[in-house]
Amino acid sequence: EDKVVQSPLSLVVHEGDTVTLNCSYEVTNFRSLLWYKQEKKAPTFLFMLTSSGIEKKSGRLSSILDKKELFSILNITATQTGDSAIYLCGPNAGGTSYGKLTFGQGTILTVHP
Amino acid sequence: NAGVMQNPRHLVRRRGQEARLRCSPMKGHSHVYWYRQLPEEGLKFMVYLQKENIIDESGMPKERFSAEFPKEGPSILRIQQVVRGDSAAYFCASSPRAGDEQYFGPGTRLTVT
Repeated sequence: EDKVVQSPLSLVVHEGDTVTLNCSYEVTNFRSLLWYKQEKKAPTFLFMLTSSGIEKKSGRLSSILDKKELFSILNITATQTGDSAIYLCGPNAGGTSYGKLTFGQGTILTVHP
Repeated sequence: NAGVMQNPRHLVRRRGQEARLRCSPMKGHSHVYWYRQLPEEGLKFMVYLQKENIIDESGMPKERFSAEFPKEGPSILRIQQVVRGDSAAYFCASSPRAGDEQYFGPGTRLTVT
C-alpha cells in the first residue's frame, strides 16, 4: 500500500525563521511529487518535482526531490505570518493513470509575529 | 482564466437523502479528480475522470458513491443515502493532461444531520 509520511506534524516558529518540511514516500509507479499549501480552503499548488537533485524555487520557497532515498523537502526562508498553513506533499503514482495523488497527513506550520 | 469551480460550497443533508456535488474544471482542462477530507484527516483520493470515462476509481467506496463527467457540463459526485460518516469536505481538482499538476477548487462541505 502506498505510504507518505510528513514531518514534523506541526511546527511553531517566529517571523524571520527558516523552516524545513520533510516528506518521505513509498509508492508504486512514481511519476512526480507535488507540494501544496492549504489554508482554510482549497490546497494551493506550490511545486511539482520530477527529477532528483534539481531545486525548484519560488520566492522564499524552494523544494528538492531525492528519488533514490524517496524523500522531498520544502524550505521556507524568512518566514512570515502569511506562511501559516498546512503544507501537503503528494506523490503522483498509480498504475497507468498517473492521476492519483496520495497525500501525507500534512505539516501544520504556525508563524508568530 | 477562472479556476476550478465547485457548487454548492456548503450542503446540508439529512441521513438517507442524496447529495450531488458539482465541479467545473479550469478552462482547457479535461481531467478531473475528486478527493475527500474527513475532519482531522488528510486528503484522500476518490476518483479520476476524463470526459465520459472513469480512469481510476480505486478510492471510491464500493456502495452509494458514483461519479460522472459527461461530454457537456460539470463533473458530478453523487452520494446516495448519506450517513453521518459522509460529512466531510469534498474537493475537486483538474489538470490539462494526465500527470500534470492538479489545481483544486474551493471544495464542498457536506454536513449530514
